[in-house]
Amino acid sequence: AQKITQTQPGMFVQEKEAVTLDCTYDTSDPSYGLFWYKQPSSGEMIFLIYQGSYDQQNATEGRYSLNFQKARKSANLVISASQLGDSAMYFCAMREVNTDKLIFGTGTRLQVFP
Amino acid sequence: EPEVTQTPSHQVTQMGQEVILRCVPISNHLYFYWYRQILGQKVEFLVSFYNNEISEKSEIFDDQFSVERPDGSNFTLKIRSTKLEDSAMYFCASSEGRGSNQPQHFGDGTRLSIL
Repeated sequence: AQKITQTQPGMFVQEKEAVTLDCTYDTSDPSYGLFWYKQPSSGEMIFLIYQGSYDQQNATEGRYSLNFQKARKSANLVISASQLGDSAMYFCAMREVNTDKLIFGTGTRLQVFP
Repeated sequence: EPEVTQTPSHQVTQMGQEVILRCVPISNHLYFYWYRQILGQKVEFLVSFYNNEISEKSEIFDDQFSVERPDGSNFTLKIRSTKLEDSAMYFCASSEGRGSNQPQHFGDGTRLSIL
């Protein structure tokens, strides 16, 4: 069974608008971490934001925020005021408490147009 | 800002040859990882390393693969007898701690092409 599901293979957004990238996850562990990474066309993986399963508040990092709905097992990334440089693949990932590995979703390709 | 450094950025190797991918993790990080991403596919975990030994490995990480920390700064992935299907982007990552709240910071990757 998929542990991380990203249902949007591609998204378009106009510059300066906000966009939400969806991520749902599946785990039976009560303690886990959720992460978002950005992968530009050059290939590197850039850590964006983290949300812990016990965190009461949604994580925010600059223009990135995470809409964490624990009961729905969703951890959507919200990018506000999109910029052309935000065009990239975005990966949602999860790490359960008793494992070292990050489990990645299939990614969403975001394209920001002027 | 400190970063994970990987060399080379692109490696082209003949099938059957051995290849060593190199990584310099962030200096105060204690946990190291290798992942791979076959073109157009998900990022997949290969192995984690702590205190000079493997702490976890995936089913992909078979006898063809090995990791080593030969000195205080480098962390290497060796692939013996390479196959066409080993062609992928290989990412090294490091983290300060091991908990599920610890972000893993990735390098820029090495693109491995097997001919």
